[in-house]
Amino acid sequence: KAGVTQTPRYLIKTRGQQVTLSCSPISGHRSVSWYQQTPGQGLQFLFEYFSETQRNKGNFPGRFSGRQFSNSRSEMNVSTLELGDSALYLCATSLDSNYGYTFGSGTRLTVV
Amino acid sequence: AQSVTQLDSQVPVFEEAPVELRCNYSSSVSVYLFWYVQYPNQGLQLLLKYLSGSTLVKGINGFEAEFNKSQTSFHLRKPSVHISDTAEYFCAAMKTSYDKVIFGPGTSLSVIP
Repeated sequence: KAGVTQTPRYLIKTRGQQVTLSCSPISGHRSVSWYQQTPGQGLQFLFEYFSETQRNKGNFPGRFSGRQFSNSRSEMNVSTLELGDSALYLCATSLDSNYGYTFGSGTRLTVV
Repeated sequence: AQSVTQLDSQVPVFEEAPVELRCNYSSSVSVYLFWYVQYPNQGLQLLLKYLSGSTLVKGINGFEAEFNKSQTSFHLRKPSVHISDTAEYFCAAMKTSYDKVIFGPGTSLSVIP
């Protein structure tokens, strides 16, 4: 079966711009979580969506937002980009979160 | 708040030697625990998980972990490592079925030929 697909794989943006990242889960997976990974902070939880509803939220500013569609595909948006937003953004999906995640390969965002 | 500690940021070990990667979590009424592995330029892959039942959990690639409630630990072990085990290993925990999953800072395992 197809894995978790994240697009794009790489992205370069300038400060102040906004960006949208996409995640297509494995068929049947209704839980989609997003993480930011940086060398200094490790994996930081952004939010989780389940059946189109945000079920959990991390401690990120309101510039970070997300949504989930009826087909379970999810997008996250970052507005007014800052240099510190440069990171690997990982999408993780599962039937439900205690089943364990299947991760995508991530989107590498560089803000210049 | 739930937190996960991985005491060793880097662990070098010779090929075919045993290895233990340590993980401690903050105590909670109930907890689900996971180990993931990340190879360079890739996402994370689930190695094993503890939800309930037997405290010794076996995973993929010959790894196993033991849940110790009294010590709030979930250490990962492998009796004989291979070069291909060189990667970053993450311990993770969640309090309930609907809670967020919190990851530890990771342990970089380097297998030396």
